Amino acid sequence: DVKVTQSSRYLVKRTGEKVFLECVQDMDHENMFWYRQDPGLGLRLIYFSYDVKMKEKGDIPEGYSVSREKKERFSLILESASTNQTSMYLCASSIGAPEEQFFGPGTRLTVL
Amino acid sequence: GQNIDQPTEMTATEGAIVQINCTYQTSGFNGLFWYQQHAGEAPTFLSYNVLDGLEEKGRFSSFLSRSKGYSYLLLKELQMKDSASYLCAVRVPMDSSYKLIFGSGTRLLVRP
Repeated sequence: DVKVTQSSRYLVKRTGEKVFLECVQDMDHENMFWYRQDPGLGLRLIYFSYDVKMKEKGDIPEGYSVSREKKERFSLILESASTNQTSMYLCASSIGAPEEQFFGPGTRLTVL
Repeated sequence: GQNIDQPTEMTATEGAIVQINCTYQTSGFNGLFWYQQHAGEAPTFLSYNVLDGLEEKGRFSSFLSRSKGYSYLLLKELQMKDSASYLCAVRVPMDSSYKLIFGSGTRLLVRP
């Protein structure tokens, strides 16, 4: 069964903290994605990666960075968390065309 | 620019049929996806259309008209468990790859 897991379901951090969100997939997928989901705005792409050590900026990369050292793992890093980064963060992976994406359960991050 | 429009909320009765519309204006088009997302859970893939016409999958069907920039998701014989958000997403070219642009989602409430 297809599986995308995220390290935490809920996370509370303070402004200025460095935050790591981890995502692991067990499907040997090439492509991995990080989105944030906010009410009324839908899912917005932060970063994606189509191979190990490769990364591409999405639509809203500011304030974020990513790391993909292994094929199965894609990490999202908030270098200095701010309150406007309070959101639901969703990781997804896909094997390629037509690129049906499989999503993880999400991490609800609150920055105080 | 990229724009995907869906109604914010819809209500329907158990056993009935409901049609959720999605219109899009995007720079490029390489397919349209529908996802279902129950509250607090990950989006799950429902359907994919790349050519004009209707794709049927059990109680769910999805239609695409590329010339009109229009799609709909049709849910028949509604069940209470169909209460969820339905996300329309368009696959568009991005640099040397593709990405999904999501609409804000349509929250469907099925009443007894």
